[in-house]
Amino acid sequence: GAVVSQHPSRVICKSGTSVKIECRSLDFQATTMFWYRQFPKQSLMLMATSNEGSKATYEQGVEKDKFLINHASLTLSTLTVTSAHPEDSSFYICSTKAFFGQGTRLTVV
Amino acid sequence: GENVEQHPSTLSVQEGDSAVIKCTYSDSASNYFPWYKQELGKGPQLIIDIRSNVGEKKDQRIAVTLNKTAKHFSLHITETQPEDSAVYFCAARGGYQKVTFGTGTKLQVIP
Repeated sequence: GAVVSQHPSRVICKSGTSVKIECRSLDFQATTMFWYRQFPKQSLMLMATSNEGSKATYEQGVEKDKFLINHASLTLSTLTVTSAHPEDSSFYICSTKAFFGQGTRLTVV
Repeated sequence: GENVEQHPSTLSVQEGDSAVIKCTYSDSASNYFPWYKQELGKGPQLIIDIRSNVGEKKDQRIAVTLNKTAKHFSLHITETQPEDSAVYFCAARGGYQKVTFGTGTKLQVIP
């Protein structure tokens, strides 16, 4: 069974609204989680590293105010896409050090 | 930072034949090399991994080899089946725990 659970799997939102994606590690504690973005037919691009109890570390070019990450517990990290725009439409995936969530297909209309 | 190159980008094989995907990495500090299978609309699934202190690892029809000196690692799938069709990503992880992915290989197994 899955060791990392990500929800929702699909979400459609209106432009200007915010969307929260949850990533849960099942049956184990994850002090570090990773958030990726994947465009069609492309590889995974690391957006940020989520650290439990501290601020996330963002990769160059990723707006931290746009993509808010919270890792308040050892089993849950959340990514909030704020004031979403159509160009934010993408496949977002979380992971622990070895296992990935199922991914979230975000469509902003 | 780490740079991972992956070849080929697409690969078609007849059912029953073998498939080989090759990757190179640049950072000699990388010590963990996972391989992922990604089906359409889903997250990557870890299928096999290898650590830098091992040269080869096998799990049923899947094997991975690592050449630390040359900074090469490869995925071998034998007796391919149609359900092996997917996109495969190699990756390398170093001391900061960040995983760098290859560009992916779309494998098509033709029945």
